[in-house]
Amino acid sequence: RKEVEQDPGPFNVPEGATVAFNCTYSNSASQSFFWYRQDCRKEPKLLMSVYSSGNEDGRFTAQLNRASQYISLLIRDSKLSDSATYLCVVMLREDYKLSFGAGTTVTVRA
Amino acid sequence: DAEITQSPRHKITETGRQVTLACHQTWNHNNMFWYRQDLGHGLRLIHYSYGVQDTNKGEVSDGYSVSRSNTEDLPLTLESAASSQTSVYFCASSFDKSYNEQFFGPGTRLTVL
Repeated sequence: RKEVEQDPGPFNVPEGATVAFNCTYSNSASQSFFWYRQDCRKEPKLLMSVYSSGNEDGRFTAQLNRASQYISLLIRDSKLSDSATYLCVVMLREDYKLSFGAGTTVTVRA
Repeated sequence: DAEITQSPRHKITETGRQVTLACHQTWNHNNMFWYRQDLGHGLRLIHYSYGVQDTNKGEVSDGYSVSRSNTEDLPLTLESAASSQTSVYFCASSFDKSYNEQFFGPGTRLTVL
């Protein structure tokens, strides 16, 4: 079983729409959670950390559900520039290594 | 500006050859990591280092080695390249163990024929 699993998508949405997707993680001892963004054939970049109480960064909202072991990302008012693959990332505190999901692809159309 | 670079950006080699991929960062970060990325898989950790002379195996380390002789560089060596090692390789660095954000290099696309 993979440590981090994501729906690969693609999610095809029109500009201005809201899109949301989840990822699940298998290790209940996981301590830190992140969303990274990866554009086609480029390097991943940190989009945002995910905090226990949920957090927003502009049009992006991240939620953590420890009981069900999933993380979500919601994008409001989608822009063409939001088209990318979103990687769910989990870290176990004791080894500080990151485990990456395979990514969810979002395509925003005009 | 501080950065992390990888070279070469593209490499084609033959089965059985030794290949070394370079990673260089100018942030003075203690931690450096090598990942490979394949379709259907997330980034998988190959090797990592928490400082000079420190190296550790990741989840897919077989057939790969690294050495850390200074803070800036973590070269990745494929001892005897295999077709299964055809992949995109990313190097990353972070400031220290408790600092979560990793900064990635632009990647090296390696093809083993």
